Amino acid sequence: EPEVTQTPSHQVTQMGQEVILRCVPISNHLYFYWYRQILGQKVEFLVSFYNNEISEKSEIFDDQFSVERPDGSNFTLKIRSTKLEDSAMYFCASSPQTDHTEAFFGQGTRLTVV
Amino acid sequence: RKEVEQDPGPFNVPEGATVAFNCTYSNSASQSFFWYRQDCRKEPKLLMSVYSSGNEDGRFTAQLNRASQYISLLIRDSKLSDSATYLCVARDDKIIFGKGTRLHILP
Repeated sequence: EPEVTQTPSHQVTQMGQEVILRCVPISNHLYFYWYRQILGQKVEFLVSFYNNEISEKSEIFDDQFSVERPDGSNFTLKIRSTKLEDSAMYFCASSPQTDHTEAFFGQGTRLTVV
Repeated sequence: RKEVEQDPGPFNVPEGATVAFNCTYSNSASQSFFWYRQDCRKEPKLLMSVYSSGNEDGRFTAQLNRASQYISLLIRDSKLSDSATYLCVARDDKIIFGKGTRLHILP
């Protein structure tokens, strides 16, 4: 069964450092998303991406965040200068053709900023 | 602000019982609805889509009431493995999660 894969599974970084979280969406999917979940809190939308551009972003997704699809398979989330409050689980998700179908989530990257 | 509201629980239910969760959504433009389950420190996994006519998948039944902007999930004959957090999702151009309802099935 095809699945969304994310690497690394756990990343520890020092405050102020840049991190790149990587995702390989399901191959025939066209819509891609990043979500985050701070421990004990709800799953929060960060950004959606379609046709090589951001289609929607939340107020959390400020100038320190960026997304990229550098090739035909990877979808990355970059955090330029990490803060302690960026510590969370980051989930990548993808959807097939229409944007009203279910999304499938990767296993997540646990980011710890120290 | 577009929100999805759920009772956080926890619901402590004996094995074999029937349990029901409810969820309300604020965005009347939401076009599709889902239930996901999330185990501790794991990713959300799709449980089922929710259709206007209601739908059933084994022990699970989902209902949608668009007029009241209300979604429900019924679990019959609950198993220990049903213990998880159940996330209600409403979708328009992005996927909005509720905070989830925690379910503990007791042996």
